[in-house]
Amino acid sequence: EDQVTQSPEALRLQEGESSSLNCSYTVSGLRGLFWYRQDPGKGPEFLFTLYSAGEEKEKERLKATLTKKESFLHITAPKPEDSATYLCAVSGGYQKVTFGTGTKLQVIP
Amino acid sequence: GAVVSQHPSRVICKSGTSVKIECRSLDFQATTMFWYRQFPKQSLMLMATSNEGSKATYEQGVEKDKFLINHASLTLSTLTVTSAHPEDSSFYICSASQGSSWDEQYFGPGTRLTVT
Repeated sequence: EDQVTQSPEALRLQEGESSSLNCSYTVSGLRGLFWYRQDPGKGPEFLFTLYSAGEEKEKERLKATLTKKESFLHITAPKPEDSATYLCAVSGGYQKVTFGTGTKLQVIP
Repeated sequence: GAVVSQHPSRVICKSGTSVKIECRSLDFQATTMFWYRQFPKQSLMLMATSNEGSKATYEQGVEKDKFLINHASLTLSTLTVTSAHPEDSSFYICSASQGSSWDEQYFGPGTRLTVT
């Protein structure tokens, strides 16, 4: 069974204080690793798909990286509007997507 | 692009009644649609996967007679919660994929169901 573990569960940053969120995974034949952002009371918003180790993708202040065992979501100089829960998910040989429990990020002005 | 709508956003119903939730892909054809349930401070729990014109595939522990899913077209899927009970109160989210069940999914805004 595929597994996804995200850490930390919650992260509080000062505005401008860069940091990283971790997503560790075990999967039977990785097809893709996904990052989503979810605001309270809303559905997740798609951010990135990574397919192979060494791949990196960027979007504004966010940068996602992938190794064979984990993925990092780096947040550079975050702003209060980056506050949200960030979800990581993997798809693998079981032909389904498995989600982690998320990291709740709070950026304080 | 890749916008998914969901209706209604909130619904309150009485115990024993049925509620239908609609999920539409607005700007793409969704080969596969998914229904999730999310409890407070927990991750998404996949309920079922459906392909257009086929019967939905339910996850273990999900009652298919209680949660009826219809994927009538490449842009519309519906979830009907039959004979709802208070324990069915939850946040229901649909998603859609342009490809197969392991491709990236685009999520709707969710429906908050409260059963009184």
